Amino acid sequence: GAGVSQSPSNKVTEKGKDVELRCDPISGHTALYWYRQSLGQGLEFLIYFQGNSAPDKSGLPSDRFSAERTGGSVSTLTIQRTQQEDSAVYLCASSPRRRVLNTGELFFGEGSRLTVL
Amino acid sequence: TQLLEQSPQFLSIQEGENLTVYCNSSSVFSSLQWYRQEPGEGPVLLVTVVTGGEVKKLKRLTFQFGDARKDSSLHITAAQPGDTGLYLCAGKLDGGGTSYGKLTFGQGTILTVHP
Repeated sequence: GAGVSQSPSNKVTEKGKDVELRCDPISGHTALYWYRQSLGQGLEFLIYFQGNSAPDKSGLPSDRFSAERTGGSVSTLTIQRTQQEDSAVYLCASSPRRRVLNTGELFFGEGSRLTVL
Repeated sequence: TQLLEQSPQFLSIQEGENLTVYCNSSSVFSSLQWYRQEPGEGPVLLVTVVTGGEVKKLKRLTFQFGDARKDSSLHITAAQPGDTGLYLCAGKLDGGGTSYGKLTFGQGTILTVHP
């Protein structure tokens, strides 16, 4: 498809297990972002990738969270030893470089809803 | 501390009424966007404003960027049930630096328009 694709759409896991969330950005978009959204709330920035530059990891809440982006395209967000407070919707967004430099508009996927029991 | 304060947090109105949502900050933004999000979906961009004092209209929606680029408002005229959703403001901080590509989001306004 033409939009940002995220998988899985829903993930239920047990406390202490690791999870991986995948994001496939819009083709040609050099910037990729991960945000976290708690129920009905605003978005919390997690991490930002731009081309081959070092990622901005300033929003990752703990060292249990990590993300990588392979080949400048697909990204994986990994949460190790999940806790109940990690339950949220994890949103991925992408943007073309010229938008990032100018207005910063984002194109979002539908999100991955994570529930930690 | 929330960098972008959005108000009100909840808004429940009848079809045909007007409403305004506010987004305020003490920081200057080089641009500000408004997004709308429906349940189970990601936010969708409605508008971007970049110039202080700028006003943009999108059908029944009017967006304004403050003169000092620290605040914005979204006004909906004659609200419809289809306007129901979560409205989010998001700003790109002026000055670049390490946060150059990062948007800061408000907490969101949950709007419910009853038929």
